[in-house]
Amino acid sequence: GEDVEQSLFLSVREGDSSVINCTYTDSSSTYLYWYKQEPGAGLQLLTYIFSNMDMKQDQRLTVLLNKKDKHLSLRIADTQTGDSAIYFCAETRAGTGRRALTFGSGTRLQVQP
Amino acid sequence: DVKVTQSSRYLVKRTGEKVFLECVQDMDHENMFWYRQDPGLGLRLIYFSYDVKMKEKGDIPEGYSVSREKKERFSLILESASTNQTSMYLCASSLLDFSGNTIYFGEGSWLTVV
Repeated sequence: GEDVEQSLFLSVREGDSSVINCTYTDSSSTYLYWYKQEPGAGLQLLTYIFSNMDMKQDQRLTVLLNKKDKHLSLRIADTQTGDSAIYFCAETRAGTGRRALTFGSGTRLQVQP
Repeated sequence: DVKVTQSSRYLVKRTGEKVFLECVQDMDHENMFWYRQDPGLGLRLIYFSYDVKMKEKGDIPEGYSVSREKKERFSLILESASTNQTSMYLCASSLLDFSGNTIYFGEGSWLTVV
């Protein structure tokens, strides 16, 4: 079936903004999520957006949702070295039966000092 | 403090062995999930369950089965382990409607099949 798509790698300089993009598959997904995974650590929920919203802001994080294009983005303002991690987007996709949480392949963000 | 607990953090098994990975949650969640995580492939859904004795295939169910005899426990079974099943396995649980941030992950189980 279709995949949740993300670019694999993004490199930015400390202090710049980072924008991580995701294309999801199910237009009926009720929630869309961004998770962060630091090396050797588990998954940390960063933020989520309900499908009836276009934008959500939470401190340095801004999520934009374009339902027409099924496009989700995560903007990190004033990116710090501690933001270096893999970022996953996820959707609540309905398959042949119940909904399940389906992830993209992850974007590795590298922040250069 | 809410918890999803995976019983084994690191396992090494031989090809052909039967492997059980156990996951327990204490939040009375209806949904439970098993994923595997491989570099460059993200988290891929193996199986999930939305109620006791109910299960649905995810994107990569081949070579796996699951069991949910009690609401709090969801087991992943590798009937005959193979080297291509070497991976990190993650369990998660959530409320039935996924409302908001009510999705919790375990720490992961690293399985090596030799």
